[in-house]
Parts: sequence; structure tokens; C-alpha cells
Amino acid sequence: DAKTTQPNSMESNEEEPVHLPCNHSTISGTDYIHWYRQLPSQGPEYVIHGLTSNVNNRMASLAIAEDRKSSTLILHRATLRDAAVYYCILTGSNTGKLIFGQGTTLQVKP
Amino acid sequence: GAGVSQSPRYKVAKRGQDVALRCDPISGHVSLFWYQQALGQGPEFLTYFQNEAQLDKSGLPSDRFFAERPEGSVSTLKIQRTQQEDSAVYLCASSNYLAGGRLFEQYFGPGTRLTVT
Repeated sequence: DAKTTQPNSMESNEEEPVHLPCNHSTISGTDYIHWYRQLPSQGPEYVIHGLTSNVNNRMASLAIAEDRKSSTLILHRATLRDAAVYYCILTGSNTGKLIFGQGTTLQVKP
Repeated sequence: GAGVSQSPRYKVAKRGQDVALRCDPISGHVSLFWYQQALGQGPEFLTYFQNEAQLDKSGLPSDRFFAERPEGSVSTLKIQRTQQEDSAVYLCASSNYLAGGRLFEQYFGPGTRLTVT
């Protein structure tokens, strides 16, 4: 499975947008880009996924670079409840298992 | 609706004891995954079931770890002769994912925190 690289931690102010980057230079043509987040003392929670085009849902937006070697998760207005570890994960279309890295710990300041 | 539930939420075992961890997936979900999460680390894949078939057990760390899903619904992860390094949170996830088919998101339970003393 291809590897992803994320910053260990980021800080944001409440009600401001947050851009969480992810590098995946060895991504293959069939790899999907998934984002999950894990709030303290909870199991991970699905956020969004995409293949080539940018994606929006009620939680976030996913911007995928044209060469697909990087992507950015965008939280449009951070709230204190968005403080969590955010994981960027690549999955091939023939496997369901998620390979988590260290993720990015997002702190949101009031 | 009801999400994925796991029991017990906390388990303390003495080294050498056997433990059994239960996962109740979302009703109707075909696929079930087990992950192990050590303190301060991301979850690590252990094993995957499609219905009652265990299609991937490549992540099980040793033959002391055994998982089953006999009727394609509830799953049990059993750890025999527990060791201190088995201390971790064990997460279960379910989805409608089908190997080789369309991807669906995984829904995770709250986990079982196992402490081996």
C-alpha cells in the first residue's frame, strides 16, 4: 500500500478555515484517498474520500492535486469539536483495509 | 440507527489469561474489520471478514490471536495467553464494502481497552 505523509500537528483558531495537507507521491492510479478523524477516546470516524476530482460533503471538502501526489482536507469553519487526529489514507480498489499512519493532531483554539 | 458496539469497553487481564472481545456490527453490514491501536499510535489492521469468511488475517501479530464471525454478524476476537505487549485498544469496524467492488466507508465502534498486568 502506498504511503502518506502528514504534519504531526497543526493549530487553528475557532471559526477559521483549516487546511490539512497530505503528500502521497507514490499513489497508484486505482488508489482512493480517504480521510478519517479520531476524537479523543473514540473510534475513528469517516470524513470524506475521493479519487481524482475535488469532493464536498457536509463535514469537509477534499482538494486533490492534478497529479494526485497530494491532497488537502479543508474544514471550512473549525469548531472546538473538530479537535482530533486526522488521518489521510490510501486504499486500492481491491482491498478494504485501512492503513493508518500517525495522522495530524489538530488543535482548535477558542 | 444503532452504530457498531463493542464489549466490554474495558478489560484488565493478568498476564497469561485468555480474553474474548465482542463486536456487534451495524445490521446488514457485510464486511467487518478488527484493528489494534497502541497508545499514541494510529490503528493497525488485524483481520477482515466478508460475511462469515475471514478473507484477510495478515495483521494478526501471532497465533495467540484468533477471530471468528460464525454467522456473518457478531464477531469475537480472542487472545490466548495474554502478554503485556497486547495492551492496546481493539477497534472493530463494519461496512458494506465488498472486496473488488465499490468502496463504502467504515463505521468504527468505541473500542475495547485491554490492559494486561
